[in-house]
Amino acid sequence: QVQLQESGPGLVKPSETLSLTCTVSGGSISSYYWNWIRQPAGKGLEWLGRIYSSGSTNSNPSLKSRVTMSVDTSKNQFYLNLNSVTAADTAVYYCARLVSGFAYFDYWGQGTLVTVSS
Amino acid sequence: EIVLTQSPGTLSLSPGERATLSCRASQSVSSSYLAWYQQKPGRAPRLLIYGASSRATGIPDRFSGSGSGTDFSLTISRLEPEDFAVYYCQQYGSSPPYTFGQGTKLQIK
Repeated sequence: QVQLQESGPGLVKPSETLSLTCTVSGGSISSYYWNWIRQPAGKGLEWLGRIYSSGSTNSNPSLKSRVTMSVDTSKNQFYLNLNSVTAADTAVYYCARLVSGFAYFDYWGQGTLVTVSS
Repeated sequence: EIVLTQSPGTLSLSPGERATLSCRASQSVSSSYLAWYQQKPGRAPRLLIYGASSRATGIPDRFSGSGSGTDFSLTISRLEPEDFAVYYCQQYGSSPPYTFGQGTKLQIK
């Protein structure tokens, strides 16, 4: 059973960089797309970006290149950096696995709340 | 970017009733790339339906999906108490981004 677990600081100051790690267990990180999705309190889901196990990435144009992602296959981990954060970036951040043939997210982490505040 | 609009925003029904949730896309979506999720408070979304009509592993057969083009629906044939939650549709076009609908809250009447 594949499991994903997000980790990282729960509090980030405005204008700084939000950094999260997603650890994948119970399966290999290879040959899948791995994604970051966020959800502000009481609101809907926003896809942030994806990274393939080879390291190729795509991100949501709405974030205006603030997103960078990387992967470490030896650790079965992938990472999110979101720079120049504001209060609008306060949300629960999820990592999720994408099944590319049908483009759906089958496994999700439990989510981690990141608050942007001074 | 394809925008998904879900209706109604809130649906109030009783256990045992039938629920029909709608998801309309701003442009045509391949049926292969339309999915539905259920989310309960404090929990991650759970995949219910993929490819517009295929149930994910372990999903009861009271959940069914249908539709094509720009109009899709999720039907729950007989509501169980555990089905009251928020439901999201999600699509993928020819390239990212993946987008979600704004959600339908299914609440107990």
